[in-house]
Amino acid sequence: AQSVTQLGSHVSVSEGALVLLRCNYSSSVPPYLFWYVQYPNQGLQLLLKYTSAATLVKGINGFEAEFKKSETSFHLTKPSAHMSDAAEYFCAVRLSNFGNEKLTFGTGTRLTIIP
Amino acid sequence: GAGVSQSPSNKVTEKGKDVELRCDPISGHTALYWYRQSLGQGLEFLIYFQGNSAPDKSGLPSDRFSAERTGGSVSTLTIQRTQQEDSAVYLCASSLGTGGSGTQYFGPGTRLLVL
Repeated sequence: AQSVTQLGSHVSVSEGALVLLRCNYSSSVPPYLFWYVQYPNQGLQLLLKYTSAATLVKGINGFEAEFKKSETSFHLTKPSAHMSDAAEYFCAVRLSNFGNEKLTFGTGTRLTIIP
Repeated sequence: GAGVSQSPSNKVTEKGKDVELRCDPISGHTALYWYRQSLGQGLEFLIYFQGNSAPDKSGLPSDRFSAERTGGSVSTLTIQRTQQEDSAVYLCASSLGTGGSGTQYFGPGTRLLVL
């Protein structure tokens, strides 16, 4: 079984400030972890994913995330927020054992950028 | 290349009517997934296909929901006798295959409103 918890349904940061979106997971086997972004009235776009290689994962648009097994966390960060980062962000987990294909999503974090 | 496409983009129907939602995956992708995004339940997995077979239908909420995939390509999600609680955005995704850490690429969704 697997689950994802995203702390903070709404996060506001000033333009140029650090972005930190939190994600904690639980998984019965080693997980694959994903961050997706959703802009208004659009589908989900992959930002980055953890696949058991490097624990620090770099993605698109300057985002990165670090897998910390001891903390069961996969927080998303960006050093300097841009106005274009305003969107909803979803963390997702998938079990790595064969036959488990579904993504289990967190409830999402809506990021607002303050000019 | 073309991404995942879904039709219609919006659908308004009356309670009790049947609806069909269509998904065209990325060419060459053998795996196809359906998810539902609603205010009350967040993003939920419904069903996935590997080729034309559906190894995991565990997310279908009731027997009013069914899906098929023919020719290993296009998929149709059918909801019979729609209810107001079926109102949601239905998202389709595809990936190159199953197993491993493959990325699921999402379409823009079909927004369903049941009156």
